[in-house]
Amino acid sequence: DQQVKQNSPSLSVQEGRISILNCDYTNSMFDYFLWYKKYPAEGPTFLISISSIKDKNEDGRFTVFLNKSAKHLSLHIVPSQPGDSAVYFCAASGGSNYKLTFGKGTLLTVNP
Amino acid sequence: EAGVTQFPSHSVIEKGQTVTLRCDPISGHDNLYWYRRVMGKEIKFLLHFVKESKQDESGMPNNRFLAERTGGTYSTLKVQPAELEDSGVYFCASSLQPGAGYGYTFGSGTRLTVV
Repeated sequence: DQQVKQNSPSLSVQEGRISILNCDYTNSMFDYFLWYKKYPAEGPTFLISISSIKDKNEDGRFTVFLNKSAKHLSLHIVPSQPGDSAVYFCAASGGSNYKLTFGKGTLLTVNP
Repeated sequence: EAGVTQFPSHSVIEKGQTVTLRCDPISGHDNLYWYRRVMGKEIKFLLHFVKESKQDESGMPNNRFLAERTGGTYSTLKVQPAELEDSGVYFCASSLQPGAGYGYTFGSGTRLTVV
């Protein structure tokens, strides 16, 4: 029973273009959402987050959009750079607010 | 500031053996978490310590897993006896305050292979 779903295992984009990573969730109790980036042999690194009271949060090249009615969020990276190539995990929390529920991740490859 | 340190980075053991993973959180971080990623699947919560106390261990798979946090500093996760399905990457994370909003810092993980 997967509560956070990342349906695209991989995504390939050209350098300079936009990368859009998608995430769907099923648990209505989730009220905080995060994106983590992970390089091989390293732990996940926090990238950006959004509270359920907002529908957009921006940090430099990274923007997260939240559509609560659709239970969907997305991460936009503009412009994409080769160094952005990594696995991106969507995560959510709610209620107790300390336990993260992760998706399976999406491998982003940015080609020079 | 030193990050979250985990060791060993890799461990290969035979089914039925015992393995102990260690995590050193960031100094001063009272909150320590263990997560696990089985190959191809999502990263799953195992348990949460606040100082030396287990706040939530609802994610622990079964009683072959034992986590401790001595004196509220480093933590160990022991698997005894190990089974094939225990293979995966075990991540430790710490935070100053509880709550996802404070941004956990994850360690690099321990890759456990049970053969």
